[in-house]
Amino acid sequence: EAGVVQSPRYKIIEKKQPVAFWCNPISGHNTLYWYRQNLGQGPELLIRYENEEAVDDSQLPKDRFSAERLKGVDSTLKIQPAELGDSAVYLCASSLGGSRQNTEAFFGQGTRLTVV
Amino acid sequence: SQKIEQNSEALNIQEGKTATLTCNYTNYSPAYLQWYRQDPGRGPVFLLLIRENEKEKRKERLKVTFDTTLKQSLFHITASQPADSATYLCAPLPTLGRLYFGRGTQLTVWP
Repeated sequence: EAGVVQSPRYKIIEKKQPVAFWCNPISGHNTLYWYRQNLGQGPELLIRYENEEAVDDSQLPKDRFSAERLKGVDSTLKIQPAELGDSAVYLCASSLGGSRQNTEAFFGQGTRLTVV
Repeated sequence: SQKIEQNSEALNIQEGKTATLTCNYTNYSPAYLQWYRQDPGRGPVFLLLIRENEKEKRKERLKVTFDTTLKQSLFHITASQPADSATYLCAPLPTLGRLYFGRGTQLTVWP
């Protein structure tokens, strides 16, 4: 069974340009997370979905970041416009969710974004 | 606001020794605590989960303790091997299931 799939793997863009990341979670997983990870730091939660509902987006910079999870399956994370400080690895994770909120999360390999 | 602290950014030990990593948290009371391993260029991988009513959990060479009074979890790797070298992340979970991570501890096991 395929794990969490993210694309692209790498992205280099100029500042002020838009960029989008895509995530396909494990089939049947209701909970989907987006994280940002800077070098030497732990993953920072940006947004969490339970099915198609965003239930925790308190750390999402809403002036330039947006996310959606149509039909409660795939998700996209967008940055517009990108800034130099947005350079990081963006990780997507999924878990069974629902009442089983303590279950493990499965992560994709991430998208490494470089803003120049 | 809730805070998660993991001991020293890097830990270097000799093969065969026991590695002990520390995770401290403040300003909340997690019902669960998870530990993950992350290798360079890859996403974190789940290792263990321990509940607040469990004092200790073991899995092969791994042992995790959870002290809700001290607000601390200890993660032990016994008989460490160079293949154990990685960054280890702790994630104390509140009951709402919000998965927040500490900054991680980079473990290096040298032969």
